[in-house]
Amino acid sequence: GAGVSQSPRYKVAKRGQDVALRCDPISGHVSLFWYQQALGQGPEFLTYFQNEAQLDKSGLPSDRFFAERPEGSVSTLKIQRTQQEDSAVYLCASSLRTFEETQYFGPGTRLLVL
Amino acid sequence: AQSVTQLDSQVPVFEEAPVELRCNYSSSVSVYLFWYVQYPNQGLQLLLKYLSGSTLVKGINGFEAEFNKSQTSFHLRKPSVHISDTAEYFCAVRRSGNTGKLIFGQGTTLQVKP
Repeated sequence: GAGVSQSPRYKVAKRGQDVALRCDPISGHVSLFWYQQALGQGPEFLTYFQNEAQLDKSGLPSDRFFAERPEGSVSTLKIQRTQQEDSAVYLCASSLRTFEETQYFGPGTRLLVL
Repeated sequence: AQSVTQLDSQVPVFEEAPVELRCNYSSSVSVYLFWYVQYPNQGLQLLLKYLSGSTLVKGINGFEAEFNKSQTSFHLRKPSVHISDTAEYFCAVRRSGNTGKLIFGQGTTLQVKP
């Protein structure tokens, strides 16, 4: 079956521009996670959804970052007024439920802010 | 708070040799432990996980890991590596009972040479 998909795969933005990154989780998966992976680093947690509810946004680095999942399936991560330090790969993961369930990762969106 | 330390940033090894990638974690509560592999320009793929039970966990592609609670370690091993095992490997920890947020180490690059 289809895995987690993300679009666009690559995004170049000028500093100050707003961007929107899309995640399509595996169908039926309740939980959805966003992670940020800087070059040469491990992924860092940004936010978590259970269905449409955003239960944890403790990892969002600033109020310029906003995520939503309005219908409990597709999710969008929006970054306003992008800065150079936002350059990273943004990974989305989904799992069937929570707790012990395996998280399945998408290929990521590589964002470069110039 | 939990943290994960991968003691080696790069591990070069010859094909068909054994390999061990080291991972130590710190946590004051019970945790679940994971190893993920990331091939270039791809998302993370789960190799294996420890939730409970036997401390020796077997995963895909011939990898295994051993959970050592007293040493707070979860080292990954393979008795004979292949060129195709060249990739980035991430150890991750998750607090038991929470929503599923993963805390990752900084990664170890496994370079298999012919």
